[in-house]
Amino acid sequence: GQNIDQPTEMTATEGAIVQINCTYQTSGFNGLFWYQQHAGEAPTFLSYNVLDGLEEKGRFSSFLSRSKGYSYLLLKELQMKDSASYLCAVLDSNYQLIWGAGTKLIIKP
Amino acid sequence: IAGITQAPTSQILAAGRRMTLRCTQDMRHNAMYWYRQDLGLGLRLIHYSNTAGTTGKGEVPDGYSVSRANTDDFPLTLASAVPSQTSVYFCASSEELAGVQFFGPGTRLTVL
Repeated sequence: GQNIDQPTEMTATEGAIVQINCTYQTSGFNGLFWYQQHAGEAPTFLSYNVLDGLEEKGRFSSFLSRSKGYSYLLLKELQMKDSASYLCAVLDSNYQLIWGAGTKLIIKP
Repeated sequence: IAGITQAPTSQILAAGRRMTLRCTQDMRHNAMYWYRQDLGLGLRLIHYSNTAGTTGKGEVPDGYSVSRANTDDFPLTLASAVPSQTSVYFCASSEELAGVQFFGPGTRLTVL
């Protein structure tokens, strides 16, 4: 079956750096997405990786290793507004997104 | 309208009733999707549409139907609601099937 694993919850301090990991086992791979979802709101797109390596976008970076079935989202200079759930999703061989359950990130002052 | 809208925002429904959730996008995206989101689970795809006039089944299609008469609208119908369909429903769209998906604000549905 298809599976996306990410930690359920993480806690970090304002101003610090946090890394959210995602491992996947899917039927085919056509890219990996990270979305942010604030409580009670819709998911919003953060990043996309299709080749191995690091993609940097401001305070957020995303890394992919296809051979290891592994990705991480790195958030730098954490702000209180970064408190949200972070969703990892893989585009499978049918071009359908398979979603992880999300990692709830709690930022403490 | 800017982006994707969904209606209603929330609804309480008696089991056995028929219900249609509405979704409209103004971005002229070809692909549209319906997901449900339940606590502790990832988003699960119910139905999708590659382009106007075509639809396909996702991971959890049973009990739901969709239509895509035009580019902008993608309604989701529950023919006879059951309590297990209590969930938050998100509509999304993308330029093409493999593209970045943009989500509507969601509909919170409770079936009693």
